[in-house]
Amino acid sequence: NAGVTQTPKFQVLKTGQSMTLQCAQDMNHNSMYWYRQDPGMGLRLIYYSASEGTTDKGEVPNGYNVSRLNKREFSLRLESAAPSQTSVYFCASIRGRGNTEAFFGQGTRLTVV
Amino acid sequence: KNQVEQSPQSLIILEGKNCTLQCNYTVSPFSNLRWYKQDTGRGPVSLTIMTFSENTKSNGRYTATLDADTKQSSLHITASQLSDSASYICVVSAIGGGNQFYFGTGTSLTVIP
Repeated sequence: NAGVTQTPKFQVLKTGQSMTLQCAQDMNHNSMYWYRQDPGMGLRLIYYSASEGTTDKGEVPNGYNVSRLNKREFSLRLESAAPSQTSVYFCASIRGRGNTEAFFGQGTRLTVV
Repeated sequence: KNQVEQSPQSLIILEGKNCTLQCNYTVSPFSNLRWYKQDTGRGPVSLTIMTFSENTKSNGRYTATLDADTKQSSLHITASQLSDSASYICVVSAIGGGNQFYFGTGTSLTVIP
């Protein structure tokens, strides 16, 4: 049971390049989330998907797009990377609303130069 | 505004000593409060979860308390070990809505021999 798997673990991009961060969970969870973590700040929500086929903006969605490809997979795309998007990105999933535990991936460390 | 504040920002203790981390929140309506441990370069991992009616919950050497009236929580670590060195994040969930998690900025704990 792998839990939440993110790829890649590390990435360096040049300003203006695009890339997609992949996230997959094998726990049959309904809800999936993308967060970014920056020094001195709590995790901030970029986008989330409450269920397959739905996506909604979080606190900091600008510069990102997402796709809930199926129940297992939730990808995050940077169309034109900017240095301000240098961060550590975490994907998380929960079974549904209520008192359920959130499981996090190992993170993707992205540097935009 | 829904906020979660943690203190201290960082803490250094000797191996074998106890410590207490604090979390104050203004999230409303309150659903539950979680404490997560995040090792360097890893995703957060859940330690405890407490609902409105729970005052104390333990997980091995970790004991969390919750005072829903004052909107405060603490995480007490007993007989600290070197492996306890990590960031401890308080996460409060609100009832309703998709963006249900509010993250503190974490307390960085270093346990030294």
